[in-house]
Amino acid sequence: SAVISQKPSRDICQRGTSLTIQCQVDSQVTMMFWYRQQPGQSLTLIATANQGSEATYESGFVIDKFPISRPNLTFSTLTVSNMSPEDSSIYLCSVYYLETGGAETQYFGPGTRLLVL
Amino acid sequence: DAKTTQPNSMESNEEEPVHLPCNHSTISGTDYIHWYRQLPSQGPEYVIHGLTSNVNNRMASLAIAEDRKSSTLILHRATLRDAAVYYCILSRGYQKVTFGTGTKLQVIP
Repeated sequence: SAVISQKPSRDICQRGTSLTIQCQVDSQVTMMFWYRQQPGQSLTLIATANQGSEATYESGFVIDKFPISRPNLTFSTLTVSNMSPEDSSIYLCSVYYLETGGAETQYFGPGTRLLVL
Repeated sequence: DAKTTQPNSMESNEEEPVHLPCNHSTISGTDYIHWYRQLPSQGPEYVIHGLTSNVNNRMASLAIAEDRKSSTLILHRATLRDAAVYYCILSRGYQKVTFGTGTKLQVIP
């Protein structure tokens, strides 16, 4: 299995500021993703973090608002820029891990709970 | 992405078995059926997955219809710790997936 940690676990921020969320995996993984989960909602994919190249964003999400870095196979950051109260959500890092036996399993971090005032 | 359909919510009595259904009529031959659950205030956690045959692990069992257009997650004895949102997802491995609304399971003591 893959163990994922995220920092910070939660934060309260003022509108107009930016927050960078870190995701650390205990194993090298190929695929890393960032999700957002708004209160009471399901998960929405923000982007795929590509190692060594620009992230691939889903419809409705742009690089200027959610810049992503992926410097190596175990680490990624997501920045929420120029925050507004609508950005208050849980942000989750996720990876695909190749299990013994060949199956790919998706693992999730514990999430970062962001409240923007 | 192939879509899945699940009931919004279900209830179960503690110590009783729970059958959580999922419809995926547009499943393709290479799609694996994955189940995740999200406990309150936590990230989703993997429960089980399968392709064609029924699967068992320490957490649950997965029953897959012969035509693969539906599946059922079976919790053999529900406990209060099993209260969560359960997501049924189709995945081809190393591909982005779409989460539906899932089934919120309430376990009644």
